[in-house]
Amino acid sequence: DAKTTQPNSMESNEEEPVHLPCNHSTISGTDYIHWYRQLPSQGPEYVIHGLTSNVNNRMASLAIAEDRKSSTLILHRATLRDAAVYYCILRDFTAGGGADGLTFGKGTHLIIQP
Amino acid sequence: KAGVTQTPRYLIKTRGQQVTLSCSPISGHRSVSWYQQTPGQGLQFLFEYFSETQRNKGNFPGRFSGRQFSNSRSEMNVSTLELGDSALYLCASSPRQFSGANVLTFGAGSRLTVL
Repeated sequence: DAKTTQPNSMESNEEEPVHLPCNHSTISGTDYIHWYRQLPSQGPEYVIHGLTSNVNNRMASLAIAEDRKSSTLILHRATLRDAAVYYCILRDFTAGGGADGLTFGKGTHLIIQP
Repeated sequence: KAGVTQTPRYLIKTRGQQVTLSCSPISGHRSVSWYQQTPGQGLQFLFEYFSETQRNKGNFPGRFSGRQFSNSRSEMNVSTLELGDSALYLCASSPRQFSGANVLTFGAGSRLTVL
């Protein structure tokens, strides 16, 4: 699977929007962009995913660049409960997906200041 | 509905011993995958099972093995434990064999400490 690059950490204030960037310059046409987050002492949880178009759900929005080489996870109004490590991952949508499963990398540690 | 259940949550073993971890997926989910998370290496894929067959395997030594039962429950086993095996072991389930659009639901993990 193609690799992703994320900043190690970001800091934001409570009740402000947060934009978490992810670069994936070697993305292929069959790769979905997934975001998961991991709160302290918990397993990762799904946030959002998309292929080409921007996506919205109750947790966040995903903005995908036109060339798909980068994407941004948007938390519209951060709360202290959004403090977590956010992972951007690419997965091939063809069945099977390949031998390396889901490679998470180190993710972005999001710090929310009250 | 119930989430992904992993047992035990915490365990301590000594070098050379073996350990078996259990994962019960969400009802109706047929795919189970396992991951190892350490501070230094992050979250790494171990293997994936679907319909009792291992479909994908990560880059781990043969001491790491797993299986899936007919009810989709899965176990992973680590033999001849080493200090470096100390980690959080996470299990995730999804409705079908993992592919790009499939969403994973993770358990809380089993934290293994090897002394």
